[in-house]
Amino acid sequence: EAGVAQSPRYKIIEKRQSVAFWCNPISGHATLYWYQQILGQGPKLLIQFQNNGVVDDSQLPKDRFSAERLKGVDSTLKIQPAKLEDSAVYLCASSLLPPNTEAFFGQGTRLTVV
Amino acid sequence: AQSVTQLGSHVSVSEGALVLLRCNYSSSVPPYLFWYVQYPNQGLQLLLKYTTGATLVKGINGFEAEFKKSETSFHLTKPSAHMSDAAEYFCAVSEGSARQLTFGSGTQLTVLP
Repeated sequence: EAGVAQSPRYKIIEKRQSVAFWCNPISGHATLYWYQQILGQGPKLLIQFQNNGVVDDSQLPKDRFSAERLKGVDSTLKIQPAKLEDSAVYLCASSLLPPNTEAFFGQGTRLTVV
Repeated sequence: AQSVTQLGSHVSVSEGALVLLRCNYSSSVPPYLFWYVQYPNQGLQLLLKYTTGATLVKGINGFEAEFKKSETSFHLTKPSAHMSDAAEYFCAVSEGSARQLTFGSGTQLTVLP
């Protein structure tokens, strides 16, 4: 069974530039998550989708971050404009519908903002 | 609101010694509890989970954890550490209808030869 795919694996950009990350979840998983993991910290949920809809985006900095999940499958997370403090690993995860919430994670995208 | 506290950001044990990683949670409803492991430059891999039923749960790689409601704890143990266990370990809790996962800050496990 194919796992959660993310790209790119690494990205370096200058502050004020824009960047986008892509995620392809496990086939059949209705729930998709984006997490931000700053060095030395646990992952923080940015946004949770259930099929096409947003379940929780309370911690997404909406002035600069946006995410979409078209057709309930792939998802993209965008940052525009990036700030230095956005340097982190961005993890995508997917799971079946609640209450089965065993989340499967991709390898993440390491973003460095200089 | 739910939260997770992992006591000890760094734990060192000798190879063959007992591994004990501590996790306490707060939750207003019966939670689901998880332990994940993260190797360098990798995503998170599920070690074990508690949803309902037996409070002692066994996971992969010889790890187990016990849900203690009275202590609001879900500590992770392994009787004998291997060098390959060196990694970062995260405790997580989920609750609510959407079952959002909230993670602790992690514990870096070092295994000494």
